[in-house]
Amino acid sequence: DAGVTQSPTHLIKTRGQQVTLRCSPKSGHDTVSWYQQALGQGPQFIFQYYEEEERQRGNFPDRFSGHQFPNYSSELNVNALLLGDSALYLCASSLRWGGNTEAFFGQGTRLTVV
Amino acid sequence: QKEVEQNSGPLSVPEGAIASLNCTYSDRGSQSFFWYRQYSGKSPELIMSIYSNGDKEDGRFTAQLNKASQYVSLLIRDSQPSDSATYLCAPRYDKAAGNKLTFGGGTRVLVKP
Repeated sequence: DAGVTQSPTHLIKTRGQQVTLRCSPKSGHDTVSWYQQALGQGPQFIFQYYEEEERQRGNFPDRFSGHQFPNYSSELNVNALLLGDSALYLCASSLRWGGNTEAFFGQGTRLTVV
Repeated sequence: QKEVEQNSGPLSVPEGAIASLNCTYSDRGSQSFFWYRQYSGKSPELIMSIYSNGDKEDGRFTAQLNKASQYVSLLIRDSQPSDSATYLCAPRYDKAAGNKLTFGGGTRVLVKP
């Protein structure tokens, strides 16, 4: 049973560029959430997708956008990259309804903006 | 006031001893509580979930929840060097299942042989 997978694992981008990160949820899960984790801090919620719609959003600017596909996989897009966007980006998948709605994380994408 | 507060540590524990980690949260609507373990450079790994007041034991881990005091804790018994990691507390407000997790900054635990 494949867990949550993210790609790429590492990425280096230049200020002002755009980046797309990808996530495939755990088999059977229908909800994908994205988090940003800066060094030495806990993960911060970016947004959550369910049924191909953004259902909740954290305190992140519109430069951060996303998408969920019919197969439940998801993308996170960040435009006009800033140095402060350098972080570990985590995808978590879960089942929205049912007895077990625990969230499981992928291995993360380490984004470095130079 | 932060939504979720944890002592950043490091919490230094001799091998074989009990590590006690604490977490307080501000949202009284929080209904589910999770503990994640995160090794340096890795992603968070779910180790415990607790939904009702009281204790929940799973192997060497025990989670304790007191909703009236807005307090959740994690005990690690017989601590091993492999338990050295950052432990993240994450309450969840279940207005609808699948709602976001709100993380504390984590407590770094060091288990010394």
